[in-house]
Amino acid sequence: GENVEQHPSTLSVQEGDSAVIKCTYSDSASNYFPWYKQELGKRPQLIIDIRSNVGEKKDQRIAVTLNKTAKHFSLHITETQPEDSAVYFCAANPSGTYKYIFGTGTRLKVLA
Amino acid sequence: GAVVSQHPSRVICKSGTSVKIECRSLDFQATTMFWYRQFPKQSLMLMATSNEGSKATYEQGVEKDKFLINHASLTLSTLTVTSAHPEDSSFYICSAVSLEGNTIYFGEGSWLTVV
Repeated sequence: GENVEQHPSTLSVQEGDSAVIKCTYSDSASNYFPWYKQELGKRPQLIIDIRSNVGEKKDQRIAVTLNKTAKHFSLHITETQPEDSAVYFCAANPSGTYKYIFGTGTRLKVLA
Repeated sequence: GAVVSQHPSRVICKSGTSVKIECRSLDFQATTMFWYRQFPKQSLMLMATSNEGSKATYEQGVEKDKFLINHASLTLSTLTVTSAHPEDSSFYICSAVSLEGNTIYFGEGSWLTVV
């Protein structure tokens, strides 16, 4: 089955700097890769996603890149703000299913 | 956007008792729902896939007799934790698939504390 690894587990950046979180997946058949932001005790919120036929997607300060050959994808947050502080999860969706296999999470702290 | 509601949001139960958590899709029909468990400071772990009108599919290592899943209608799936133990204390989250939008929506989650 699919296995998703995520790094780093914690990340501290100064406000205004960029943050990058990386994930690798094992199932080459996975074709959809969402990123979620989760605040303590709340449901995950989808912040950006990318499909396997696209290499990069950007939405304001957030971007995701996908390297299908290497089976890894990354989340890039630019001009970080304190409200970006949260836990971020990547996920992979094996083709033909609606299952999401989540990474282990990254706790991002943006220091004011 | 589509809404998925979970109830209760918090529940405390005594060890050995059973507790039921409901997951409802409020404005769309969901033939498939998923149940996840999240321990503190850990990731979301898929427990099972709930299919309307048929038996749930459980992930490896998840006891189907302990975590009973029923998906009797297109808008409701329930997770019953039977004979709960303190180690079952966790945050349980469901998600539902909206076929129209080919999108998954998460419920608000349910905190279970077994004392």
